[in-house]
Amino acid sequence: AAGVIQSPRHLIKEKRETATLKCYPIPRHDTVYWYQQGPGQDPQFLISFYEKMQSDKGSIPDRFSAQQFSDYHSELNMSSLELGDSALYFCASSLGDRGQTGELFFGEGSRLTVL
Amino acid sequence: AQSVTQPDIHITVSEGASLELRCNYSYGATPYLFWYVQSPGQGLQLLLKYFSGDTLVQGIKGFEAEFKRSQSSFNLRKPSVHWSDAAEYFCAVRNTGFQKLVFGTGTRLLVSP
Repeated sequence: AAGVIQSPRHLIKEKRETATLKCYPIPRHDTVYWYQQGPGQDPQFLISFYEKMQSDKGSIPDRFSAQQFSDYHSELNMSSLELGDSALYFCASSLGDRGQTGELFFGEGSRLTVL
Repeated sequence: AQSVTQPDIHITVSEGASLELRCNYSYGATPYLFWYVQSPGQGLQLLLKYFSGDTLVQGIKGFEAEFKRSQSSFNLRKPSVHWSDAAEYFCAVRNTGFQKLVFGTGTRLLVSP
């Protein structure tokens, strides 16, 4: 079965650079979530989209932005990178509320290292 | 706001012994409840989930969890731990609709020979 695809899997950037992470949800899933997991931390919710509109917002820095496109894939753009942005970034998808399962399906994550 | 508490940061269990990881949630209604496992540097693997119905749910790898509404708990159990079970375990809660999944701080399981 198709899963959530994230790219790139690994990314190394310098401070003050820009990075873009991509997420391709499971086919027919209409909701995408982004999470950030720092070293030794639990995943923290950043932002979510439902039908290409932002549906919820968490602790996402102003330097970050995200969007969901017409094909439901999503991109997380991170600018003016700081050392503290080094983390594992997870994307998850679900059927919103119509699926009635309540389950989020996670990708393998994108590991961002800021030097 | 909903929250999840995992009171044990680390737990060490001998291989072959039983395991129970604690999870308490704070939410008015009955939320969706999940347990995930994560090996170092890896993704999140769903062990099991509770939505409604039977309060004892079975998951993968021999894990089970019991939902106790009166205690707002969703503890994870395994009768006999294997060395390969050593990992980080996260309890998570989500209400209906488009709401985000909220994770507990995790419990690191160490398995001793």
